[in-house]
Amino acid sequence: GAVVSQHPSRVICKSGTSVKIECRSLDFQATTMFWYRQFPKKSLMLMATSNEGSKATYEQGVEKDKFLINHASLTLSTLTVTSAHPEDSSFYICSARGVLGGDTEAFFGQGTRLTVV
Amino acid sequence: GQQLNQSPQSMFIQEGEDVSMNCTSSSIFNTWLWYKQDPGEGPVLLIALYKAGELTSNGRLTAQFGITRKDSFLNISASIPSDVGIYFCAGLRQAGTALIFGKGTTLSVSS
Repeated sequence: GAVVSQHPSRVICKSGTSVKIECRSLDFQATTMFWYRQFPKKSLMLMATSNEGSKATYEQGVEKDKFLINHASLTLSTLTVTSAHPEDSSFYICSARGVLGGDTEAFFGQGTRLTVV
Repeated sequence: GQQLNQSPQSMFIQEGEDVSMNCTSSSIFNTWLWYKQDPGEGPVLLIALYKAGELTSNGRLTAQFGITRKDSFLNISASIPSDVGIYFCAGLRQAGTALIFGKGTTLSVSS
């Protein structure tokens, strides 16, 4: 299957600082990338959808100024959590979809565990 | 956000037993996907279903796309300890839109 690499896998940051998470599709071009947040023992909550070269579409209740998404190329999307607070601590997961999966299957990164102290 | 109805929420079984879980929706989907998530990892795609009535196997896993296009089930036969994890169903209404996920089924297997 297709490989999606997410980096870093774990990050601890101080309150008020910003953190950038990268999501790369390694062996296919991702026309669309999605960012999810997952709380312990809960399902994945979609935060935003991004298409290469255009602005991300955010789900209701997700602050676009706080969670900055950039999808500059067909293989890379980044999520920047700005001015992080302890309540932003969570498991963030990206997924990518492209022609390889018939544009219907989505492949996930390994996830990033963010802890804000 | 919108979610699919996935059941059961959790299962505790003995090694060697068969397992069945399902997802239902009030609306139609064009694609059904089943994922498995291990702790601290991202979901891994197990099976993808594209046509109503389609029955697809992947090793000991079998999944079906319901005829009404509003449901899907996943069966695991002869479970083993490494089957432990959270299984999610996901539905796609049309290409280009985001997947809609079920709440997950947590599977525990005792040997």
